[in-house]
Amino acid sequence: AQKITQTQPGMFVQEKEAVTLDCTYDTSDQSYGLFWYKQPSSGEMIFLIYQGSYDEQNATEGRYSLNFQKARKSANLVISASQLGDSAMYFCAMRGVNTGKLIFGQGTTLQVKP
Amino acid sequence: GAVVSQHPSWVICKSGTSVKIECRSLDFQATTMFWYRQFPKQSLMLMATSNEGSKATYEQGVEKDKFLINHASLTLSTLTVTSAHPEDSSFYICSARDRGSPTYNEQFFGPGTRLTVL
Repeated sequence: AQKITQTQPGMFVQEKEAVTLDCTYDTSDQSYGLFWYKQPSSGEMIFLIYQGSYDEQNATEGRYSLNFQKARKSANLVISASQLGDSAMYFCAMRGVNTGKLIFGQGTTLQVKP
Repeated sequence: GAVVSQHPSWVICKSGTSVKIECRSLDFQATTMFWYRQFPKQSLMLMATSNEGSKATYEQGVEKDKFLINHASLTLSTLTVTSAHPEDSSFYICSARDRGSPTYNEQFFGPGTRLTVL
């Protein structure tokens, strides 16, 4: 079985500061992928970053980086230099190679303060 | 990136009627599409996996007779909510993977359909 846990229902961050959104996971698959998506109030799901379970380096995409700690089964998202437009709901997700299904955590609502 | 469209973007219907939602991959072929449901401020819940030319695979607890899924072509999947009731009101989102893309790991999402059942 697969499970994704996001324990922060809501977070605040000051504009231009960095913020870390937590994500832990559990799976019996040896190979899996971890994803982060952003969902603004419009509802669209915006893909941010991907980390494969066998990737040795942490993934980075512009201001987004994924702090992958395999032994601790955590895949935290770090957003550097927060912008007002970063205010949204953020979802951590996982897809195991055996199931092929992308399942989501509960989400974290991030609010960036000016 | 690849584009997934959904139609309609929102729909209001009376209780007891059926509603069809279309999901299209516009610039790629999607052998597999996924349907999710999302209640306000909650997570996306996977309802079913739709494979082109075969029956959909439903997640536990999802009524297959209520949520009819058809994946007739490599670019189109439909979700029909039959005999809709107010508790079916939700945000329905489809998703697809582009197997021909070098960024295969990405899963692309449609903009969602907001269903309100009166």
